[in-house]
Amino acid sequence: DVKVTQSSRYLVKRTGEKVFLECVQDMDHENMFWYRQDPGLGLRLIYFSYDVKMKEKGDIPEGYSVSREKKERFSLILESASTNQTSMYLCASSLVGAPSSYNEQFFGPGTRLTVL
Amino acid sequence: EDQVTQSPEALRLQEGESSSLNCSYTVSGLRGLFWYRQDPGKGPEFLFTLYSAGEEKEKERLKATLTKKESFLHITAPKPEDSATYLCAVQAGTGFQKLVFGTGTRLLVSP
Repeated sequence: DVKVTQSSRYLVKRTGEKVFLECVQDMDHENMFWYRQDPGLGLRLIYFSYDVKMKEKGDIPEGYSVSREKKERFSLILESASTNQTSMYLCASSLVGAPSSYNEQFFGPGTRLTVL
Repeated sequence: EDQVTQSPEALRLQEGESSSLNCSYTVSGLRGLFWYRQDPGKGPEFLFTLYSAGEEKEKERLKATLTKKESFLHITAPKPEDSATYLCAVQAGTGFQKLVFGTGTRLLVSP
């Protein structure tokens, strides 16, 4: 079974702090994704990566950056946390990097981040 | 702009009372439609992928169907453990493996 793990289930940070969310997958998937999920808005894509050191902006990248130094690990960075970044953050991974593929994404358990 | 709309927002059923959830979509060239189940406080769990109109897939009490404009998730004789939020997502013909999600249907099955 695919396993996607996230470093924390719950996190509380102060406004202005730099925040790191870590995600690791153990199935050698090429693609990794970061979403945030808010009530009434559904899942929105922040960033994704289709290879080591490669990244692409999603729909809401402002205020976030990412890092992918190893294939299995994808980090989301909040450069200066703000209260409007309080949310559930979900990491996902999928197989195959070709644009023509359409493999399902497998999700981690999520990190509930609260910014005070 | 690619869009996914799920209805109803919430559905309450008695155990054994079959029903359907709807996912309507507008995308520029559908590559795949995905159904996920999400329990409170957890990440979405993959259920099905549908690729072309007329396709159907089944898993236990769940059956997903696809037309050119919408997908249905049919739940036959549900049990309380089927209570969850069901998410629908589409992958369009443009954009790298990007999924567009609906906001989900919250299903509650009472014993």
